[in-house]
Amino acid sequence: DTEVTQTPKHLVMGMTNKKSLKCEQHMGHRAMYWYKQKAKKPPELMFVYSYEKLSINESVPSRFSPECPNSSLLNLHLHALQPEDSALYLCASSQGSQGRRRETQYFGPGTRLLVL
Amino acid sequence: QQQVKQSPQSLIVQKGGISIINCAYENTAFDYFPWYQQFPGKGPALLIAIRPDVSEKKEGRFTISFNKSAKQFSLHIMDSQPGDSATYFCAAASNDYKLSFGAGTTVTVRA
Repeated sequence: DTEVTQTPKHLVMGMTNKKSLKCEQHMGHRAMYWYKQKAKKPPELMFVYSYEKLSINESVPSRFSPECPNSSLLNLHLHALQPEDSALYLCASSQGSQGRRRETQYFGPGTRLLVL
Repeated sequence: QQQVKQSPQSLIVQKGGISIINCAYENTAFDYFPWYQQFPGKGPALLIAIRPDVSEKKEGRFTISFNKSAKQFSLHIMDSQPGDSATYFCAAASNDYKLSFGAGTTVTVRA
């Protein structure tokens, strides 16, 4: 099973709302990722968690707040977003064991976010 | 600055034809080169991947060719089918969790 699930599939929010995106994997992977993807562009890395600790933050604005409650779950908390934050938000996971940080990343289907 | 350059931006091929997508990189620390296929509204899915100790890898109708000295790699889709119509991303990674993606190629297979 190489499935990464994401909820919700679609989300519409106003600029003053607070919402959360959820990601789950049961492959025993220890690295989990958030990406942002604009139309017709490649995914852009936002955050990497390794063994439930934040390993990489690609200078993402503080209105995006990641959380890794356990090794299977990854959340992205959203607050005071801007219309330009509208995009497809992708979660991914990989084995992430020491010395194997380049292993295959498995992507979820994404959450389509629209900020009004 | 894009670390992996991908071309063409789009291509149209007749059913049964061959689709060829090329990628080039500069960072010699890259040692893992996956290709992802993405359908509209879906997340990218790993198609095939190669490491630099191999010059060619084939999985079904999909073949990666790798030229380490030229720092180039390419994807060939043989006997292209309408179901292959998608966006294809090449990528490269070293040992730091980060995937450097190419800009993507939209492939349209005409029946």
